[in-house]
Formats: sequence, structure tokens, C-alpha cells
Amino acid sequence: DADVTQTPRNRITKTGKRIMLECSQTKGHDRMYWYRQDPGLGLRLIYYSFDVKDINKGEISDGYSVSRQAQAKFSLSLESAIPNQTALYFCATSDPSGRAATQYFGPGTRLTVL
Amino acid sequence: GNSVTQMEGPVTLSEEAFLTINCTYTATGYPSLFWYVQYPGEGLQLLLKATKADDKGSNKGFEATYRKETTSFHLEKGSVQVSDSAVYFCASREDSNYQLIWGAGTKLIIKP
Repeated sequence: DADVTQTPRNRITKTGKRIMLECSQTKGHDRMYWYRQDPGLGLRLIYYSFDVKDINKGEISDGYSVSRQAQAKFSLSLESAIPNQTALYFCATSDPSGRAATQYFGPGTRLTVL
Repeated sequence: GNSVTQMEGPVTLSEEAFLTINCTYTATGYPSLFWYVQYPGEGLQLLLKATKADDKGSNKGFEATYRKETTSFHLEKGSVQVSDSAVYFCASREDSNYQLIWGAGTKLIIKP
């Protein structure tokens, strides 16, 4: 079974709708991340969480919110989706082993906002 | 601010060709450096990493050497296979923060 899972894998929605993307992990890591990937732009960090009570904004948090329901679960919400939020979204985890820590990624959620 | 720059793609090669994907970084300190790979339809996975100058990371026939004097971490492979077709991302992380800084990714296409 995959260590980091994301649901749904694909979602098409309309402008103005509220959307939630979910992430679960079985790696036992405290640190979790949400990224979006756009062609030619690499990955951009939306939010990150170092434990259940520690949530931080990344470089592009506007229009997004998150919830860390448990160590293993980290959800991303788009309160009112807009077309430029169409992207591939990744959840990731890492252990607290300093600057050499590896990040482990889920398979991604492809979101299309019409 | 700190940044990671990698060569634009797509890079198209024939099977068994030699591969180089360039990556350079800017940093105020001494970052750890990473290459991640994204196969079609999948999430990213760590390919290799290096944590200090002159370290060489290697995995699956790929290598990259941390060059402090040229602030580079170029990815190389001596003989590529069709199965190496993927998007490759270079990334850095400094001591002073926890965040990875990502390059834009380089798409590699290997033709039989």
C-alpha cells in the first residue's frame, strides 16, 4: 500500500465551488506539506505543518486553507475555486532529520476549475 | 532570495546516450542538494542527494556532484534507457530554514 495517499485523484469543478483535497500518510511523519505544480513553474508550497498544532503559510497560500485533523491527515481546501487554481496538487511528508530530510510525495490530485 | 535554476526542456535523447541536466543554485549558506524524479502519472520521488561540498550522490546509474565553487549539482547518467523518461527536479534546502527550493523541472524524453 502507498505510504502517502491523496483523494480524489481527479476533480473537475466550477468557479465558486468549495473543494477539499485530502491527504493521508502511514509513514508516521510529523511534517506534512501541500504543493501545487504548474507547467514550467516547478512546485510551489501552499501550506506546511510540523505537527497537529503547527500550521504555516507557504509562498502561495492566498485562496487556500488547511486542516491538520491528526498526525496522519492533512486536508487542503479551496473556499471558492477559481480557474487559475487549475493545477496538479501534491501532498508530501518528511521526517525531522534536518536539512537532508527526504520528502515523500503522494500521487497527486489533478484539479480543473471551469 | 535563494533560487535553483535548471536547464529548460524537453531534453530528447536516444537510448544509450549520455545525459547531463544542469542545475545551479544560489544560497547564503551551505545547502543540501537534491534531485527528484517524477515518472508519468506519479508523484515525485527522491533520486539522489548530497549534503556537503564534493559529495557525490548516486542512484539507479545517475550521479551528481556537489560543486561549491561553481554552485552546481548537475545530473549525469552514462547510458539512458527509455524507462528514464520523466521530469527531473533539482532542489536545495539550507540550514536556516526547512523549505525546499525547487527548480522548474526538466522533462527528459528517451527514444528507442
